[in-house]
Amino acid sequence: EIVLTQSPGTLSLSPGERATLSCRASQNVNAIYLAWYQQKPGQSPRLLIYRSSSRATGIPDRFSGSGSGTDFTLTITRLEPEDSAVYYCQQYGTSPITFGQGTRLEIK
Amino acid sequence: ELQLVQSGAEVKKPGESLTISCQGSGYTITSYWIAWVRQMPGKGLEWMGMIYLEDSDIRYSPSFEGQVTISADKSTNTAYLQWRSLKASDTAIYYCARGSGDLGPWGQGTPVTVSS
Repeated sequence: EIVLTQSPGTLSLSPGERATLSCRASQNVNAIYLAWYQQKPGQSPRLLIYRSSSRATGIPDRFSGSGSGTDFTLTITRLEPEDSAVYYCQQYGTSPITFGQGTRLEIK
Repeated sequence: ELQLVQSGAEVKKPGESLTISCQGSGYTITSYWIAWVRQMPGKGLEWMGMIYLEDSDIRYSPSFEGQVTISADKSTNTAYLQWRSLKASDTAIYYCARGSGDLGPWGQGTPVTVSS
């Protein structure tokens, strides 16, 4: 199975700053099969980005995704306190579907 | 609005059986895949498998095949996740979500606690 490794484990930034979250795959992932999710404490995950760079419905343009091959990035600009959450990447091009272990984003 | 509503929290003993459910509203879920995802306490997300209600095509993750059973009732727009004999290590929150790849929307989650 494809292993996704996210870094850093925890990211602590201030409001207004820019966050860069990394997702590295153990083998090539077709970019159209890479997604990102946000999970806030006590809530279900929410789809943010699909096909590596397409924003899901209702997701603000502060969130953007990029990447190809084995390296993918989620960028969040102009951080807001509500962005505090754990972010997961997911690949769905090769069965079984797998998720990264998550990056915790803390807004100071 | 598309919505998935899951059954409530469960507390069970090791060895007991359990079935939890996920019912779609606001659309006909038979036209979509429904996936099940496990989240153990304080841990990340694990894809367990999925079912296409229209023809009951089921796919399992190798990690979960033989450990759980995924099924559905097309007539009630409901997908199910079943255990024959629970273990303490099955303690987790179980989410259902629409999709065979990117997943959304998600149900609210069903907490399952297995303890003697």
